[in-house]
Amino acid sequence: ETGVTQSPTHLIKTRGQQVTLRCSSQSGHNTVSWYQQALGQGPQFIFQYYREEENGRGNFPPRFSGLQFPNYSSELNVNALELDDSALYLCASSHTPGLRTDTQYFGPGTRLTVL
Amino acid sequence: AQSVTQLDSHVSVSEGTPVLLRCNYSSSYSPSLFWYVQHPNKGLQLLLKYTSAATLVKGINGFEAEFKKSETSFHLTKPSAHMSDAAEYFCVVSDRFGSARQLTFGSGTQLTVLP
Repeated sequence: ETGVTQSPTHLIKTRGQQVTLRCSSQSGHNTVSWYQQALGQGPQFIFQYYREEENGRGNFPPRFSGLQFPNYSSELNVNALELDDSALYLCASSHTPGLRTDTQYFGPGTRLTVL
Repeated sequence: AQSVTQLDSHVSVSEGTPVLLRCNYSSSYSPSLFWYVQHPNKGLQLLLKYTSAATLVKGINGFEAEFKKSETSFHLTKPSAHMSDAAEYFCVVSDRFGSARQLTFGSGTQLTVLP
């Protein structure tokens, strides 16, 4: 069974640029969630995709957007990068988002630095 | 909305001594609770989860946690610390957010294991 993978591992961008992060879900999982973890803090929920549709969003502006593909992999896009967007971006996959027993499994993350 | 509070930002123990990481939750109904561990520059690994079955939950690497409704607590314990346990630990509650299931993280507890 393949775990959650993310690419790239590290990325450096300048303020105002756009970035795309990628995530491949664990085999058999149809749901992907994205989280932002700033330095020294716990992860914050950005949004969740289930069967190619966004089905929940945290308190993040519209310049954070995403996609999910038919194979359930996902992209996180961030436009007009700001310095505060520097963080570790974590992707998690699961297979039953409607159930309270649903467990999310995390990838290793992408470290984004905005200069 | 549900929330969790981790009572200690840093815990230091000697190798071979017990570990106690404290977590209190706030919920209007029976919650789903998790403990995740994050080693430096790594993603999050699931240690254990509580989803209203047995109140004493056993996880990986000798960790366990007890759900106590009367105390609204979900403390993580291990009888004997190992050097490899040094990491950041997050207590997490799963919350319904529209049709999505969002994880809300505590602020984390940094565990140091002294030789």
